[in-house]
Order: sequence, then C-alpha cells, then structure tokens
Amino acid sequence: QSALTQPASVSGSPGQSITISCTGTSSDVGGFNYVSWYQQRPGKAPKLMIYEVSNRPSGVSNRFSGSKSGNTASLTISGLQAEDEADYYCTSYTSTSTLYVFGTGTKVTVL
Amino acid sequence: QVQLVESGGGVVQPGRSLRLSCAASGFTFSSYDIHWIRQAPGTGLEWVAVISSDGGTKYYADSVKGRFTISRDNSKNTLDLQMNSLRAEDTAVFYCVRVIGGAFDVWGQGTMVTVSS
Repeated sequence: QSALTQPASVSGSPGQSITISCTGTSSDVGGFNYVSWYQQRPGKAPKLMIYEVSNRPSGVSNRFSGSKSGNTASLTISGLQAEDEADYYCTSYTSTSTLYVFGTGTKVTVL
Repeated sequence: QVQLVESGGGVVQPGRSLRLSCAASGFTFSSYDIHWIRQAPGTGLEWVAVISSDGGTKYYADSVKGRFTISRDNSKNTLDLQMNSLRAEDTAVFYCVRVIGGAFDVWGQGTMVTVSS
C-alpha cells in the first residue's frame, strides 16, 4: 500500500487561500469517505482538522475546509494566518490489509 | 479531560524486544477502537496496528505483522504494544490514538523508540 501523494510544500501570504491535494486510488481515497486531515506543529502530536472528507471537529476554525473528487481529496485554508504554519497530513481508510494510509505530508509556509 | 499517555519507549538493540503502554482517561475506554501510529524521525506518519473496543479484533501493518502484538485491558483502561525482533527501521515516535468515524481524534504525546546497537 503506497502512501497518498501530497505536494511537499505550499506557501501563501497572510489572508490568501491555499489548497493541499491528496491523491490516492480507488482502494482508498476514491472508495471511501473516511478521509481526514491533520495539522502537526514541530515536536507536537498531530491534531485532527477535518474528518469524513469535509467535516470540522468542534473548535477547529471554519477557515479550514475539505472536499473530494474521485481519487483526490483537498484541504483548503482560507484567510491564511501565521499560526497555520505547520505540516499537514491526509489519511484514508483502505480496502487493503493496511487499514489506513497516510499522505506524504505538506509543509505550509506563511510568507 | 480526554487523554492518552504513552510510556515504555527507549533505546534497544536490534533483535531485542520492547513493550509500550498507553493509559487512557477522561472517556469510556471500552467503547473505542484504539490504534498505534508511528513517525520515524523527520518523516511522515505510518499506521501500525488497531485493536477493537472489546479486544477481539486486531489488524497490523505488513511491516510489523508477526513481530508486534497489540492488546488491551479494559478493566485498567490500558493498551499495550509488544514489539519483538526490533529493526533499525522501527525507530520512531509511537502514538496511541483513539479513532471515531474513521478519524483519529485523540492522540497521546508519543513515546520515542530507538533501535540501535
């Protein structure tokens, strides 16, 4: 089971919107709505930002949104803020013996 | 306060064993499937194993199958990961993680395992 493909880095200026893609296959992203996104700051555990493709947990800013089309899921951060600088990972449930597969990770930089 | 706290990490020689533990508090532990997820230094996240809420069903990543064993004690609100035949590539921070609806919603702080001679 290969990792989901994410861009290594994405950057934007404060106030701008950025989108991070997460590409898999019909055995994972395309086959299930169990796609979630995580924010990880240096030295910290990941934090759930989006679950089931587009749902936000309580307490997560509405500047974060998720979507999916075919085998590709996306995370959009609108109104980019300095505090959004972090690594972001997607994950999906899979139909293989590896129940969950993570994305390769994307470093978000606020210019 | 919902919390997961891992322990048991350390430095171990290749081929040896190590047992990680995770203590849960602030929620009904016996109602949730719990996973182990690891992160090698400077790299991404890797799913390792899961155990169902009643402990009756377990799944493992191919990379650890046959070497790692996940278990739980719902009477003590604890989760364990027995790791045998450790390899250098097992070096990572190991997280104990609660799952709900396919999403990992509560993470521990992680415990570092270093496999080195």
